[in-house]
Amino acid sequence: DQQVKQNSPSLSVQEGRISILNCDYTNSMFDYFLWYKKYPAEGPTFLISISSIKDKNEDGRFTVFLNKSAKHLSLHIVPSQPGDSAVYFCAASLGDGAQKLVFGQGTRLTINP
Amino acid sequence: NAGVTQTPKFQVLKTGQSMTLQCAQDMNHEYMSWYRQDPGMGLRLIHYSVGAGITDQGEVPNGYNVSRSTTEDFPLRLLSAAPSQTSVYFCASSYSTGYNEQFFGPGTRLTVL
Repeated sequence: DQQVKQNSPSLSVQEGRISILNCDYTNSMFDYFLWYKKYPAEGPTFLISISSIKDKNEDGRFTVFLNKSAKHLSLHIVPSQPGDSAVYFCAASLGDGAQKLVFGQGTRLTINP
Repeated sequence: NAGVTQTPKFQVLKTGQSMTLQCAQDMNHEYMSWYRQDPGMGLRLIHYSVGAGITDQGEVPNGYNVSRSTTEDFPLRLLSAAPSQTSVYFCASSYSTGYNEQFFGPGTRLTVL
């Protein structure tokens, strides 16, 4: 039972355009959501997070949107850069901080020059 | 700071063998955890520790043991390896529980024949 789902295994975007990565969840008790970025042969690195009491959080080129009624969140990257090519994981927490996380399957983003 | 380090990077075991995956952090973090990543499934929490001497089970603990005798180290033991334990293992740490970013190590790729 996959509680956090990233239904797009891969996404290809042209450099300079917007990248939109999507994530759906089933457990309405999740109260904190995170995005991690992973390069090959490295561990995931934290990118951005959002609390369930908000619907948007922005950090530079990265914005996360949360739609609680639809149980959906998305990560927008504008403008996309070649260094953004990586696997992006969506993760959720059940109300006890940002440690015991439930991860999605990941989406491989490729930015084309 | 070296951050979170994991050894070995790669390991091949035969079914029934035992081994210990090492994880160390030099950031004086209280919280440490182990995840496994399997193709198409994202990362899943195996065990975690909120401080020296305290450990608890995550989502997929069967077949693994942990202990936390020091703040710095959090080894993961496979007592009798099985092919189903073929995976990439990531160790992570954070300053404490709560909404603190987790830092991940580079991973150990384990193959069980």
